[in-house]
Amino acid sequence: DTGVSQDPRHKITKRGQNVTFRCDPISEHNRLYWYRQTLGQGPEFLTYFQNEAQLEKSRLLSDRFSAERPKGSFSTLEIQRTEQGDSAMYLCASSQRTEQETQYFGPGTRLLVL
Amino acid sequence: GQNIDQPTEMTATEGAIVQINCTYQTSGFNGLFWYQQHAGEAPTFLSYNVLDGLEEKGRFSSFLSRSKGYSYLLLKELQMKDSASYLCAVYSGAGSYQLTFGKGTKLSVIP
Repeated sequence: DTGVSQDPRHKITKRGQNVTFRCDPISEHNRLYWYRQTLGQGPEFLTYFQNEAQLEKSRLLSDRFSAERPKGSFSTLEIQRTEQGDSAMYLCASSQRTEQETQYFGPGTRLLVL
Repeated sequence: GQNIDQPTEMTATEGAIVQINCTYQTSGFNGLFWYQQHAGEAPTFLSYNVLDGLEEKGRFSSFLSRSKGYSYLLLKELQMKDSASYLCAVYSGAGSYQLTFGKGTKLSVIP
């Protein structure tokens, strides 16, 4: 059973550097989501793809953030000019187009910006 | 706006029953999810309610009242491994596929 995978699991970077995270969804899922979670909070929605099309973006997604899903399979999330406030767990989830739309989450990438 | 409220922390004894409440006020409603999240790990799906009533799944049950904007997760025969955060999330639908999460309830199970 192959679930959602994310890489890397941990990333430490210095303020001002760029970072890129990868997410591989469950293979038959055509919907992919990115969320951000900080300590003591629930996940907050960032963006959503259906196949390769980015259909929804949160106001949380500043212009330093960009996400792609070029072939409708894996996705990347890039943060440019990182700030200390970007330190968080970045979670990826995928779902199949059904009435229930259950989202299944990957293990996350924990980012620490020094 | 979207507002989802859950208690921040709860403590219960091994073998007991615990009920975790969630109230929500959202601009739309197309279903409510409960997820379990152990520290440092990803949320894992527990249950989904879209109609009023109780859904039972083994030791876990979830209840929904749409008219009251209220749900609860019931955990029976608590085990130490149930110590985790429990997240309530609303799927608003209407063209948006994002989940709106509460802050989570941290449950500690003690011997």
